[in-house]
Amino acid sequence: GAVVSQHPSRVICKSGTSVKIECRSLDFQATTMFWYRQFPKQSLMLMATSNEGSKATYEQGVEKDKFLINHASLTLSTLTVTSAHPEDSSFYICSAWRGAYNEQFFGPGTRLTVL
Amino acid sequence: QQQVKQSPQSLIVQKGGISIINCAYENTAFDYFPWYQQFPGKGPALLIAIRPDVSEKKEGRFTISFNKSAKQFSLHIMDSQPGDSATYFCAAPTGGGNKLTFGTGTQLKVEL
Repeated sequence: GAVVSQHPSRVICKSGTSVKIECRSLDFQATTMFWYRQFPKQSLMLMATSNEGSKATYEQGVEKDKFLINHASLTLSTLTVTSAHPEDSSFYICSAWRGAYNEQFFGPGTRLTVL
Repeated sequence: QQQVKQSPQSLIVQKGGISIINCAYENTAFDYFPWYQQFPGKGPALLIAIRPDVSEKKEGRFTISFNKSAKQFSLHIMDSQPGDSATYFCAAPTGGGNKLTFGTGTQLKVEL
């Protein structure tokens, strides 16, 4: 399968700070990437769809000013959690869509803890 | 919005046994149904996927059975091993394009 990386894997920050998470597709170009959030023992919740060269599309209920997404190249999408608060603590996972096969490949996830 | 109903929520199987997880989906014009395997603290990994032009797909010990008329598909894990202990998610296309809606997950435990 295709390889998707995420950085950092774990981050702890103070309330009010901003955190940037990077998602890279290492061996294929991804015109579309997705950002998910997952709470313990729950399913994946799609937050937004990131399209290279255009604005991200956010799911209902997701604050676009809080979760800034940039898809600047065909291999890199970033998620910035602005003014993070403890309730933003979660496991954030990105995926990259490999269009030729209509498959999504996931990164290893980023554990965000806001103190 | 696509709904995907997955069962059971949890499953305990003896080593060497067969694990079966079921999913049901709503109307869809798309043709791609994947299963993902997730270990604690890791991202989901694509395990196997099927397109509904076939009723079954097998890869090693993993088999997807697909029933288009019933809008159901299931994952069978043959000769289950302790290393298979993980959470499994089914998914189905939704909202047009390439978005997926995931099932609620099944926590599988394979006991010795």
